[in-house]
Amino acid sequence: DTEVTQTPKHLVMGMTNKKSLKCEQHMGHRAMYWYKQKAKKPPELMFVYSYEKLSINESVPSRFSPECPNSSLLNLHLHALQPEDSALYLCASSRSQLVETQYFGPGTRLLVL
Amino acid sequence: GNSVTQMEGPVTLSEEAFLTINCTYTATGYPSLFWYVQYPGEGLQLLLKATKADDKGSNKGFEATYRKETTSFHLEKGSVQVSDSAVYFCALSASQGGSEKLVFGKGTKLTVNP
Repeated sequence: DTEVTQTPKHLVMGMTNKKSLKCEQHMGHRAMYWYKQKAKKPPELMFVYSYEKLSINESVPSRFSPECPNSSLLNLHLHALQPEDSALYLCASSRSQLVETQYFGPGTRLLVL
Repeated sequence: GNSVTQMEGPVTLSEEAFLTINCTYTATGYPSLFWYVQYPGEGLQLLLKATKADDKGSNKGFEATYRKETTSFHLEKGSVQVSDSAVYFCALSASQGGSEKLVFGKGTKLTVNP
């Protein structure tokens, strides 16, 4: 089973709202990732967690706040977003942060009004 | 630094035509190479991978061979179907600044007409 699940599938929020995206995997993977994908572009890495610790932050604005409560869950907390943050947010996981295959979830399509 | 260059799309083919999507890479060390596919409105799915030179990855009729001498990983399929219509991303995974990262090409949109 190589399934990564993400909720919600779609999200519409105002610029003053606070919302969270959730990602879950039960493959025993110890590395989890958040990517942002704009239309007709490849995914851009935002954050990497390795063994529940933040390993990489690709200079992402503080209005995006990641959290890894345990080895199976990854959250992305959103606050005071801008319309340009509208995108598909993809979660991925891999056995470790070393050169390993990343498995992606279906994504959350976010619209910021 | 590490980078991936893949052919610009869009690519439009008729059903049962032969498909090639070119991908070349630049990397220090020995990267692993991947093809991911993204169907409309969905996330990325791993299509195939190769972890060392001369390895051939294959899945669902698609194939790609890791060519170190030409730094290439071209995707091929002998007979495409309408259901293959999607965006295809070539990617490499290699150490970059002490961390392992997945580097994507820009993607190639494939449309297969009946």
